[in-house]
Amino acid sequence: EAGVTQSPTHLIKTRGQQATLRCSPISGHTSVYWYQQALGLGLQFLLWYDEGEERNRGNFPPRFSGRQFPNYSSELNVNALELEDSALYLCASSTGTGSVLYQETQYFGPGTRLLVL
Amino acid sequence: TQLLEQSPQFLSIQEGENLTVYCNSSSVFSSLQWYRQEPGEGPVLLVTVVTGGEVKKLKRLTFQFGDARKDSSLHITAAQPGDTGLYLCAGFNTNAGKSTFGDGTTLTVKP
Repeated sequence: EAGVTQSPTHLIKTRGQQATLRCSPISGHTSVYWYQQALGLGLQFLLWYDEGEERNRGNFPPRFSGRQFPNYSSELNVNALELEDSALYLCASSTGTGSVLYQETQYFGPGTRLLVL
Repeated sequence: TQLLEQSPQFLSIQEGENLTVYCNSSSVFSSLQWYRQEPGEGPVLLVTVVTGGEVKKLKRLTFQFGDARKDSSLHITAAQPGDTGLYLCAGFNTNAGKSTFGDGTTLTVKP
């Protein structure tokens, strides 16, 4: 069974540009989570999507946004990039809250390394 | 704000030694996960604990969830160089709808 996949693996942008990161969850998972992991720091929660809706949002400015598609894949958009946005962006998936098989455990993808110059 | 404190932050030991990593919070979690992460890669799930007082064993790794579901420990017996990595604990709160991650313990096992 395929795990969580993310693309691209690496992304280089300049300040002020926009970045789009993509995530495909494990088959059967309907919840997708996004985290930012800056170098030397822990995972910071960004967004949670479940069944196509944003369910929770971390303490990040509005230029961090995203969406979840009908096939449960997800996209994270970062507008007006700043140098401090450079980080590893991790996507995780889990079974959805509407599932009788709901489990809270999240499974992570390999991440997208974003570098803002 | 829920916080998870992991200790120690860094740990460097010789192959064959035992070690314990702690994850503590003042908050109650509905479940807690332990992950291992290697540089530049995503965290890989090791275990999920759900019941207070629960103990799970995974080969040389023993995980314990505190009775009050506020803390957890990871004990590694006879550590090997392949155990080197960043160990993260994450507590999930159903009401908050998100996981809170500790800052991790960086473990180095020297041959």
